Amino acid sequence: DIQMTQSPSSLSASVGDRVTITCRASQAIINSLNWYQQKPGKAPQLLIFAASRLQTGVPSRFSGSGSGTDFALTIRSLQPEDFATYYCQQTYSTPLYTFGQGTKLEIK
Amino acid sequence: EVQLVESGGGLVKSGGSLRLSCAASGFTFSSYGIHWVRQAPGKGLEWVASISGSSSYIFYTDSVKGRFTISRDNAKNSLFLQMNSLRAEDTAVYYCARDNLIQGATAGFDLWGQGTLVTVSS
Repeated sequence: DIQMTQSPSSLSASVGDRVTITCRASQAIINSLNWYQQKPGKAPQLLIFAASRLQTGVPSRFSGSGSGTDFALTIRSLQPEDFATYYCQQTYSTPLYTFGQGTKLEIK
Repeated sequence: EVQLVESGGGLVKSGGSLRLSCAASGFTFSSYGIHWVRQAPGKGLEWVASISGSSSYIFYTDSVKGRFTISRDNAKNSLFLQMNSLRAEDTAVYYCARDNLIQGATAGFDLWGQGTLVTVSS
């Protein structure tokens, strides 16, 4: 199985900051990497698919990059509603669509 | 409205059974693969099972093989998860989620239900 490792596990930042969360796959997955945002008590929401493509309706301050084994989610100019937990997911190894362990983004 | 709505969760004793349902609306249900994803209390997301639009392809994570069965009824726009021989470690919120199909391939899950809580007591 492909393992997904996110870092950091938690992160404190302030409104207006730029933050980057990274995700590393245990083997190359080309660009089959997706990012989700989850708020407490809510279902995850797809933010980025295919490593860098913004899902419809997602603000342009979110961006994704990377290929192969190393990926990143960047949020520029953090807004109050962005404080949540973020997960990466690989969809290269059909159908074992493994998720990273999550990164909790908290207000400093 | 395009949505998925889960039901059927509850409290069950270890070794018991439960059947989850997921009702779809607002889109052509039969055109999409659908997945079950679970989240144990305070933990991350875990993919559980998948079924293709025509039910031709069905897959499970190793920890539920032989105990869980995924199925769908396209005439009723419904997805199911039959869970038998439940264990304490199956305790989680269970979500159904739709394939984000890009050029015929899964590129994440673009529509999720609100989740239904399954609690297995030991």
